Amino acid sequence: SQQGEEDPQALSIQEGENATMNCSYKTSINNLQWYRQNSGRGLVHLILIRSNEREKHSGRLRVTLDTSKKSSSLLITASRAADTASYFCATDTSGGGADGLTFGKGTHLIIQP
Amino acid sequence: EAGVTQFPSHSVIEKGQTVTLRCDPISGHDNLYWYRRVMGKEIKFLLHFVKESKQDESGMPNNRFLAERTGGTYSTLKVQPAELEDSGVYFCASSQVWGPRGETQYFGPGTRLLVL
Repeated sequence: SQQGEEDPQALSIQEGENATMNCSYKTSINNLQWYRQNSGRGLVHLILIRSNEREKHSGRLRVTLDTSKKSSSLLITASRAADTASYFCATDTSGGGADGLTFGKGTHLIIQP
Repeated sequence: EAGVTQFPSHSVIEKGQTVTLRCDPISGHDNLYWYRRVMGKEIKFLLHFVKESKQDESGMPNNRFLAERTGGTYSTLKVQPAELEDSGVYFCASSQVWGPRGETQYFGPGTRLLVL
């Protein structure tokens, strides 16, 4: 399996509900980043969490990181139709950023109005 | 502040032809990355520039791909000759610093390449 695997692959919820997506990885990381991609568009950076951090918040987003379990979660609270997109976690495993990010296949989130 | 831009947004070429993709990073960002996503697969790292130097090109699939960043500003990725399996979305990203703990990478909208 790949470094940076999101779970579930697809998620459909009602507007207003919370959405939780998980990401697992295999090797030690420097940081983990979450991105969003709307259909046919580019990647939008959401949040970066470093290996020595356990939780970060940004607006309606909450990201946790458990390095002992090599996993992260992205929580979107009070979801909106505009949150419909694919969400990717990406890990930075290099000492100096030389290797680039390693992405999972993403979770496709659908918010039902 | 302008984000990362890529040109063209779409390209349709025939097998055997040459295509050149361009990326303009965020102004002042020394680090520039190329990634690719082929159909049904995850986004894969191709290479990393620090200014005009190739820091890591371990992800480049083969010698049909050539990336340059003359002057340390914009970068080009040339595919010559293109093959069918080169079809996909090519993303460029940039970051301001290059440190031991990594930094946020800002992505462009991508170039959608279709090789027929």
